[in-house]
Amino acid sequence: SQQGEEDPQALSIQEGENATMNCSYKTSINNLQWYRQNSGRGLVHLILIRSNEREKHSGRLRVTLDTSKKSSSLLITASRAADTASYFCATDRKIPRLTFGEGTQLTVNP
Amino acid sequence: EPEVTQTPSHQVTQMGQEVILRCVPISNHLYFYWYRQILGQKVEFLVSFYNNEISEKSEIFDDQFSVERPDGSNFTLKIRSTKLEDSAMYFCASVQGASGEQYFGPGTRLTVT
Repeated sequence: SQQGEEDPQALSIQEGENATMNCSYKTSINNLQWYRQNSGRGLVHLILIRSNEREKHSGRLRVTLDTSKKSSSLLITASRAADTASYFCATDRKIPRLTFGEGTQLTVNP
Repeated sequence: EPEVTQTPSHQVTQMGQEVILRCVPISNHLYFYWYRQILGQKVEFLVSFYNNEISEKSEIFDDQFSVERPDGSNFTLKIRSTKLEDSAMYFCASVQGASGEQYFGPGTRLTVT
């Protein structure tokens, strides 16, 4: 079974719009993290939310976590063309290895 | 801001050759990881390293792979006899404590021909 599955797989929006990406997972977790990856580049850590937290904000990012549904969402408000990238959720359990999802490819059109 | 660095950025090697990928984690971090990402696929965990020993490894991390922390700063991944299917981006990551933000390096693109 997949741990950390994002949807949609691809999302295309206009600059200024909000982008929402979802992530589901199957087992209990310690933390859930969101990462961003520009094409062919490294992974940039965006935000970490702990299993006992429900919502977290960082600048234009808002992350929610629903442990009862085993799901998380990442909202990017007022998107910019520079937000175009792949976004991955990654979960860890007591043993801190990250399990990544397939990612959502976000395209923000100017 | 401190960052994880990796060298080389791109390595081309012939099948059967040995490669060593190098990483310098953030200096006060205690847990170190290697992940890989085959082109177009998701990032996969390879191995974690703590207190100078492997703490966990995935099924991908077979006898062809090894890791070392030869000194206080470097963390290396060695692939003894590369195969075509080892072609991927290899990412090093480190984290300060047992659970927290993992900081990733920029990756090494390994191409096996």
